[in-house]
Amino acid sequence: DGGITQSPKYLFRKEGQNVTLSCEQNLNHDAMYWYRQDPGQGLRLIYYSQIVNDFQKGDIAEGYSVSREKKESFPLTVTSAQKNPTAFYLCASTFGGGSSGEQFFGPGTRLTVL
Amino acid sequence: LAKTTQPISMDSYEGQEVNITCSHNNIATNDYITWYQQFPSQGPRFIIQGYKTKVTNEVASLFIPADRKSSTLSLPRVSLSDTAVYYCLVGSGTYKYIFGTGTRLKVLA
Repeated sequence: DGGITQSPKYLFRKEGQNVTLSCEQNLNHDAMYWYRQDPGQGLRLIYYSQIVNDFQKGDIAEGYSVSREKKESFPLTVTSAQKNPTAFYLCASTFGGGSSGEQFFGPGTRLTVL
Repeated sequence: LAKTTQPISMDSYEGQEVNITCSHNNIATNDYITWYQQFPSQGPRFIIQGYKTKVTNEVASLFIPADRKSSTLSLPRVSLSDTAVYYCLVGSGTYKYIFGTGTRLKVLA
């Protein structure tokens, strides 16, 4: 079955640590995205990548970094510079066509800073 | 990017038709209108997309008036499992999807 996988489902981090969230898709989609969702809020775009080896900052990129070395993978690193990283993180992909294309989402990773 | 405005929350009873309206006064000529559904602790799921007039699929209908400054998602005969947050997005030709706070629909027995 084609889809998007995210791991881990739950992640706990101590303050000052960097952590990396995994996102893999086997849909052969060109574009991939990372969102952050806080309780009771909508999704906010962190980073997006239209093609391999290229990515763009979204609205809340500070304290985060990404890489896109392979078409199917788009890992997100939450660095110690992110002051309030506790949130639900969602990865998504689209075949192409920008925002007229349907986004497919992964199951999410819930990050908690201890 | 067009900004959207939706009601924060709505309540309905099982079996009723629910209509959620989204305002997008600054929609551009090439923009599409897309609706997503999100359950707690899950990623959003695509429901329906349209450009103008009416679009219908197996789960919903989307009504778009001629001026395209608003759209209405219609859910026929809702059930308890339709309790979720519904997001309206508009855009085209850009990879920056903008999700607002959405509409929290609560279906009551």
